Amino acid sequence: EDQVTQSPEALRLQEGESSSLNCSYTVSGLRGLFWYRQDPGKGPEFLFTLYSAGEEKEKERLKATLTKKESFLHITAPKPEDSATYLCAVRIYNQGGKLIFGQGTELSVKP
Amino acid sequence: DTEVTQTPKHLVMGMTNKKSLKCEQHMGHRAMYWYKQKAKKPPELMFVYSYEKLSINESVPSRFSPECPNSSLLNLHLHALQPEDSALYLCASSPSSTGAGWTEAFFGQGTRLTVV
Repeated sequence: EDQVTQSPEALRLQEGESSSLNCSYTVSGLRGLFWYRQDPGKGPEFLFTLYSAGEEKEKERLKATLTKKESFLHITAPKPEDSATYLCAVRIYNQGGKLIFGQGTELSVKP
Repeated sequence: DTEVTQTPKHLVMGMTNKKSLKCEQHMGHRAMYWYKQKAKKPPELMFVYSYEKLSINESVPSRFSPECPNSSLLNLHLHALQPEDSALYLCASSPSSTGAGWTEAFFGQGTRLTVV
């Protein structure tokens, strides 16, 4: 069965304290892994797309990496405005664009 | 411009009401999606439209009826809903839903639906 697991469920950081979020996946035929940020009561905001193992993408304080079994979202020197839920999703071959989401990591950054 | 616009932002409806949610995008995307999200849970796919035709229905109850009038618009018609249908309803779009043309999906801000 196709599965996406994110850890930790919740993460509390002090401002400036770097850390990583994990997304592990067990799927048949990965066609893309996506990271989204979601603020409370809002829709997911697209961050990154990763297609193949070894690929890396960066945006401001965020860096996403991909291996054959998992993806990491590294947050360098986070600020309070980075507080949000971070969602990982995968697209699988022959599933017509369907995204399968992990449960999310709720990040809280305190000043 | 990566904007997907959903209206209304909030909706309260009784179990005997009929209402509709609307979604619009002007990115030229040919695939549009409805997702349902309960509190503290990830989005779950409901429907996929590809080139204005329904391509995926994730066994959604018939009280939810999708419609794609044209390539820019997506509606979700609601009838005889139950309180457990209360959730955030998200619309998304992507360039396509199949093949190499598919890239990331962009989401709207959602409609917060409360069924009383």
